[in-house]
This record gives sequence, C-alpha cells and structure tokens, in this order.
Amino acid sequence: DSGVTQTPKHLITATGQRVTLRCSPRSGDLSVYWYQQSLDQGLQFLIQYYNGEERAKGNILERFSAQQFPDLHSELNLSSLELGDSALYFCASSVVAGTGNTIYFGEGSWLTVV
Amino acid sequence: GESVGLHLPTLSVQEGDNSIINCAYSNSASDYFIWYKQESGKGPQFIIDIRSNMDKRQGQRVTVLLNKTVKHLSLQIAATQPGDSAVYFCAELPRGGYNKLIFGAGTRLAVHP
Repeated sequence: DSGVTQTPKHLITATGQRVTLRCSPRSGDLSVYWYQQSLDQGLQFLIQYYNGEERAKGNILERFSAQQFPDLHSELNLSSLELGDSALYFCASSVVAGTGNTIYFGEGSWLTVV
Repeated sequence: GESVGLHLPTLSVQEGDNSIINCAYSNSASDYFIWYKQESGKGPQFIIDIRSNMDKRQGQRVTVLLNKTVKHLSLQIAATQPGDSAVYFCAELPRGGYNKLIFGAGTRLAVHP
C-alpha cells in the first residue's frame, strides 16, 4: 500500500458526461500528480500541484481540469467525455516537487466511457 | 483487474534465473531515473532510482545500471520469483522538470516455474 488513496476505483459513464476523480496523497506529501494510462499512449503526465498551486502541466486536455485543496487532497474533473477518454487515471504524490523525491502512485481509477 | 499495455514486449524467464530489463531514454538532460513495477490492476510501485552522477545502484535483489553515453538504463533482478511477474517501466526526469516524469513503454516480465 503506497498510502495514496484514489476514489472511485471503477467508473462507467456515458459520452458527454462529467466525472470527478478524487485523490488523497500520502500523509505529509505536498505535491500531487495526475497521470493517464491508456493502451495506446502508455503512462502520460497530466498535471502537478504543489501545496495547492499548479506546478506543471503535461498533456492535459482543455476538457480536463484539476485542483488541490487546502487539506492537500486533489480532484481531477473530466468533462464532455469521449470514448477515447477511457483509461486508468493515476494520482501520485511526493513530499516536495523536485529531483530525487520519490513519487508514490495510488491504485488508480478505471474510467470507462460508453 | 484489467490490464493495460497488452501489446508490450515480453521477457520470459525461468524462476531462479536473473532477469535484465532494458530501457532507452530520450532526453540527454535527464538527471534522475526510476524503475517502477506495475502488477495487473494496481498502480506503479517504486522499485529503485538512480541519479545521473551514478552508473550503478543496488537494492534488495535489484540493480540499476545507467549508461549515459548511449542513454540506456537497465534493471537487473536476481533470482527471479513468480511474484516478480509484472510490467516494468523506466521513467526519466529531465533537469528542472519538477518531477514531470516521462515513462517508457514498459516491458512485461513473465516468470515461469
């Protein structure tokens, strides 16, 4: 158990809908990351937050957004869902942002868009 | 749980043998590298890391080798066990990348009794 908690574990929704994925980082970790894992794209970095502020952005679509709250938990919002958004979404956390700080991953939220 | 990356290269080894998983990284400016293990239906699990000022680092039953000249990383697993069966990813962090890890495609390790 990495200590990173993600909910829900599985989610099935229809195209055009909106979902929210939730992440609680490890106790004491200030930085949260979101990754998407799909069959054809592998593990792709989406976005990173550090202590409530956006720190880095990757291949995140305009239809997706995220935030980190004062209690350090984070939410990833996916809207106007398309079939191609079906994937595993991972949250990860580390103590701080920077080289050498081990990043621990949660178990993921499996999103299926039908 | 469901699996991702069903079309990954596969390394098949016999239980007890040593395994070597290779990875070519892309950015010569990367200065931190990590190996992750992902079992079916689970998230990536940290195995071992290495900084660019080192060429070898050992852990428990695992060794990571870094060859910066050819941008190559390898993970050696000694006395491979059935529980080592998983997909293994290398990840690189470009200098100044704020932990924006870039993951390789992954290699599936299949351990046979």
